[in-house]
Amino acid sequence: QKEVEQNSGPLSVPEGAIASLNCTYSDRVSQSFFWYRQYSGKSPELIMSIYSNGDKEDGRFTAQLNKASQYVSLLIRDSQPSDSATYLCPGNVFSGGYNKLIFGAGTRLAVHP
Amino acid sequence: DGGITQSPKYLFRKEGQNVTLSCEQNLNHDAMYWYRQDPGQGLRLIYYSQIVNDFQKGDIAEGYSVSREKKESFPLTVTSAQKNPTAFYLCASSQKGQGASNEQFFGPGTRLTVL
Repeated sequence: QKEVEQNSGPLSVPEGAIASLNCTYSDRVSQSFFWYRQYSGKSPELIMSIYSNGDKEDGRFTAQLNKASQYVSLLIRDSQPSDSATYLCPGNVFSGGYNKLIFGAGTRLAVHP
Repeated sequence: DGGITQSPKYLFRKEGQNVTLSCEQNLNHDAMYWYRQDPGQGLRLIYYSQIVNDFQKGDIAEGYSVSREKKESFPLTVTSAQKNPTAFYLCASSQKGQGASNEQFFGPGTRLTVL
């Protein structure tokens, strides 16, 4: 099992709809989970951090974490064309005395007018 | 303005050359990281450093070297031993490498192409 698994997409949603992105993790990944947005040709931008089970809301974004089931999701309400990007969901792994982020390949989201 | 800067934005390397990518941060972060991203793939960790004068190999360190002489700076050298260096290189930093929080913030990246 890969440590971080995401559907590569593309996930296509109409403007104004809710986009739902999901990630699952192996046993090694714990404690901290993050969502990054990466526009084509640009570097990743942190949009959400979540550390405890449940929901965390920030504007149009809601992250949901379920540690027992080893998944995290990101809901984007009222999707806009500017949300079209690749979304990365790294998890934290403690290895060799240090914390490291493990990245999956990302899910490409396309919001069409 | 606090942030992470990387230079150059684009870099072209001839076969057999060593090149050095610059990464500087003024966020007063302790930890710094270098990642490589290939088209359609996730980020892979090359090297990381938790404190000055100390660094650890990541998952794909072969053909790369780093130094951490100052807290603000973490340059990456791509040596001629790296057989397929064409990629997008990303530098990141975080406030602390240990503990529950490991929020990493990224620089704008350097795109390296081998001619």
